[in-house]
Amino acid sequence: KNQVEQSPQSLIILEGKNCTLQCNYTVSPFSNLRWYKQDTGRGPVSLTIMTFSENTKSNGRYTATLDADTKQSSLHITASQLSDSASYICVVSPPLWTDYKLSFGAGTTVTVRA
Amino acid sequence: ETGVTQTPRHLVMGMTNKKSLKCEQHLGHNAMYWYKQSAKKPLELMFVYNFKEQTENNSVPSRFSPECPNSSHLFLHLHTLQPEDSALYLCATRLLWSSYNEQFFGPGTRLTVL
Repeated sequence: KNQVEQSPQSLIILEGKNCTLQCNYTVSPFSNLRWYKQDTGRGPVSLTIMTFSENTKSNGRYTATLDADTKQSSLHITASQLSDSASYICVVSPPLWTDYKLSFGAGTTVTVRA
Repeated sequence: ETGVTQTPRHLVMGMTNKKSLKCEQHLGHNAMYWYKQSAKKPLELMFVYNFKEQTENNSVPSRFSPECPNSSHLFLHLHTLQPEDSALYLCATRLLWSSYNEQFFGPGTRLTVL
């Protein structure tokens, strides 16, 4: 079973609207959780990173939250734009003293329509 | 751009062909990775190189053969592939012992096996 589960698998929103993506993980211990944005035909690019002691991080219209107790994270997109159409991947990193293999979610595909 | 380039961007090959994927990084990183990304699935780690030495082979079939001649270049040699090998192949690099364990991804090679 994958250690990082994302929901929904895909969603469609109208331009200007907000949306929230969910990430549940079982990786333990972990050192940080990162959200990546992957445009079609491109590699993933880091949007936000949070350590286990942080509970929120913003990058422009993107705001990520983290609840380390419940092992849940969310990514909120405010006032969506057409350029937000992409796949958003939740990635959990173990501590550096481990094998430091990243655990990836399957991603949420967001489509923003005019 | 992330500082990681991959060529070719698209590749169509028959099952009897031999081809190679190339990854080049300009970040001064000392760890390089090959991932396979299939639709609706999490990224699958294939190979890891630390300081040009292979440290991980994640049970990858022998029809995939990696090569890391120096810390800036990584190759994936392909031969006798199967249609189920069609996917996006991503190269990533990392600076070992960095605080956030961030991997920087290339744009990927979209591989289609006929």
